[in-house]
Amino acid sequence: DADVTQTPRNRITKTGKRIMLECSQTKGHDRMYWYRQDPGLGLQLIYYSFDVKDINKGEISDGYSVSRQAQAKFSLSLESAIPNQTALYFCATSEGDKLRDTQYFGPGTRLTVL
Amino acid sequence: QKEVEQNSGPLSVPEGAIASLNCTYSDRGSQSFFWYRQYSGKSPELIMSIYSNGDKEDGRFTAQLNKASQYVSLLIRDSQPSDSATYLCAVNRNNQGGKLIFGQGTELSVKP
Repeated sequence: DADVTQTPRNRITKTGKRIMLECSQTKGHDRMYWYRQDPGLGLQLIYYSFDVKDINKGEISDGYSVSRQAQAKFSLSLESAIPNQTALYFCATSEGDKLRDTQYFGPGTRLTVL
Repeated sequence: QKEVEQNSGPLSVPEGAIASLNCTYSDRGSQSFFWYRQYSGKSPELIMSIYSNGDKEDGRFTAQLNKASQYVSLLIRDSQPSDSATYLCAVNRNNQGGKLIFGQGTELSVKP
């Protein structure tokens, strides 16, 4: 089984709908991240969490919210989806020295907002 | 100016050649540097990390760091078609440990 899983893998939704993307990990890592990737723009950090009680905004948090339900689970919500949130979303985890840690990515969720 | 910049490519090299991928960063206080490989439709995976000036070699891959010039590169020797992917440069800034800033990625195509 994969160490970092994301559900759903693909989602098509309509403008104005609320949706949730879920991330689960079995690596036992404290730190978890949500990124979005648009063609030609690399990865942009949406939210990150260093432990269950520590959640922080990233570069592009507007329009998104998160919930860290447990060490192993980190969910991303779009309260009212809009077409420019169409993108590939990745969850990642890490641990250890914050300056030298390796981030491990989930398989991604492809979201389309019509 | 973007914090981390890469040439988007595509960079095309023949099989067996050396592929050279470049990355510049703007924050002089950056401490750690990473290269991730991402195949089309897949998630990024770490292939190299470097923390000190100079070269770091791992198999066919060599990462080079020059903090004075704020420049980090990745060399791939004996390039193979299976190396065809997008390569993402990522930087971890000194005062924001645990957060990575990614470049836009360079698409590499290795032609048989």
